[in-house]
Amino acid sequence: GNSVTQMEGPVTLSEEAFLTINCTYTATGYPSLFWYVQYPGEGLQLLLKATKADDKGSNKGFEATYRKETTSFHLEKGSVQVSDSAVYFCALRAGGTSYGKLTFGQGTILTVHP
Amino acid sequence: EADIYQTPRYLVIGTGKKITLECSQTMGHDKMYWYQQDPGMELHLIHYSYGVNSTEKGDLSSESTVSRIRTEHFPLTLESARPSHTSQYLCASTLGDREGYTFGSGTRLTVV
Repeated sequence: GNSVTQMEGPVTLSEEAFLTINCTYTATGYPSLFWYVQYPGEGLQLLLKATKADDKGSNKGFEATYRKETTSFHLEKGSVQVSDSAVYFCALRAGGTSYGKLTFGQGTILTVHP
Repeated sequence: EADIYQTPRYLVIGTGKKITLECSQTMGHDKMYWYQQDPGMELHLIHYSYGVNSTEKGDLSSESTVSRIRTEHFPLTLESARPSHTSQYLCASTLGDREGYTFGSGTRLTVV
C-alpha cells in the first residue's frame, strides 16, 4: 500500500538557520506529493505540491523537489523565521485502490528560536 | 478567507450526549473527508464522500456517522459521546484526483 515516512522530530533551530525535513514515500503508480503546515490550534494549510517527477514545488521560501529515483520529497528553506514554527506534514495522493485519498506522514514539529 | 467552514471550533460536552460537527464548503468540491487527529499529531481518515448520497468509512474505525445530502455539507454525528472521542476533527475537500485537499480550521472536541 501507500505510505509516507518523515524525519523524526522535533526539530529545533535558531532563526536564519537552514532547514531540511526529510520525506520518503512508497506508492503505486505516479503519486502527487504535498507538504502541509499546521500552526497551533489551526487546520492544515497546503504549503507546496509537485505532481510529477523532477517538479519543484515552492512557496514562502520553502522548496521541495519530486525525486522519483529516490522516492523522496524533502522540504527545505534557506533561512527560517520564528513564524515558521509549526507542524509539517508530507503527504501523497495516488490512484489505484486508494481512490486518490491523501496519505500523510506522521508530522514533524519545527520550533525556531530568536 | 476560508472556503471550508467547521463549527464549532471548540466543544466540551458530557458523556452520553449526541453531537453533530458541521462542515460546509463553498467551492463546489465533490470529494469531502473527515480526519481525526490525535494528540501525537497523526491524522486518521475516518469518513469520506465522493458526492451526494455517497459515504464510506475510512481507514480508522469510528463510532461516528456522516451524511451527504447536499454537495456543500458533510456533517459528522456522534450518537453517544465518550471520553475516548476527545480529539481534534478536521474536515477537508478537493475537486480533482491529483490536487491537494483544502482543510477547515478543525473542531476540538472534549468529552468529560
